[in-house]
Amino acid sequence: AIRMTQSPSSFSASTGDRVTITCRASQGISSYLAWYQQKPGKAPKLLIYAASTLQSGVPSRFSGSGSGTDFTLTISCLQSEDFATYYCQQYYSYPQWTFGQGTKVEIK
Amino acid sequence: EVQLVESGGGLVQPGGSLRLSCAASGFTVSSNYMSWVRQAPGKGLEWVSVIYSGGSTYYADSVKGRFTISRDNSKNTLYLQMNSLRAEDTAVYYCARVESIAAGELGAFDIWGQGTMVTVSS
Repeated sequence: AIRMTQSPSSFSASTGDRVTITCRASQGISSYLAWYQQKPGKAPKLLIYAASTLQSGVPSRFSGSGSGTDFTLTISCLQSEDFATYYCQQYYSYPQWTFGQGTKVEIK
Repeated sequence: EVQLVESGGGLVQPGGSLRLSCAASGFTVSSNYMSWVRQAPGKGLEWVSVIYSGGSTYYADSVKGRFTISRDNSKNTLYLQMNSLRAEDTAVYYCARVESIAAGELGAFDIWGQGTMVTVSS
C-alpha cells in the first residue's frame, strides 16, 4: 500500500499567517492527490483534487502544488474558520485509497 | 440538495454484528461509486470499502471477510454489514461518493455523510 506522510503533525498559527502543510507519498502518484479539511465532530470536506484544482466553493486562499511524491497545501492568509485538521489522500492506487495521518492547525 | 445521511450505529459486543445505512438524496447511488471510510476516536481516516457502479466490491485488508458493502437501488441507499466485530472497529463510519474522473478511473471523495458512531465493547 502507498503510505502518505504529512508534516508537521500539528502547529500553531495566527490569523493572517501564510501556512504550508507537506504531504509525501511512499512512491510516485503523479498528481492523484486530494486535500481535505475536517473540523471537530464534522465530516471531512474536499478542498483540492488533482493536487492543485480547487473544489467548487473553496476560497482561493487555499492552493495546492506538487506531483510525483511531494505535495503541499498552502493557506495564503489564515482565517479563523481555517483552524482544523487537514488530510492528504492518494487516489493513484484505487481502490486502495490511503490518507495521511493529518495535520492539526491550532490557534497561537 | 446532494446529501448523504448515515444511520445504524451503536454499541455492540465483540463478535457481534451491525448494519449501517447511508441514504442518498440529490443523486443516484447505483450510478456512482460509493465508499465507506472510518475514523477511530482521535485518529485519522481509514478507507474501508467501495462498491462500483457496476456492482464490483473491494475491501481494506482489515475488514475483508467480515464486512459486506451493498446497495438497494429502489431505496437509493448504501449499506455496510459488519460481522465479527472487534474492539478495533470502534470508529465513526462515514459514507462518501467517489468522483469518477474518467472512464473507469476513480478520484477523490466529493460528498460525505455526517457519520455514525460504532462502539464495540463488552
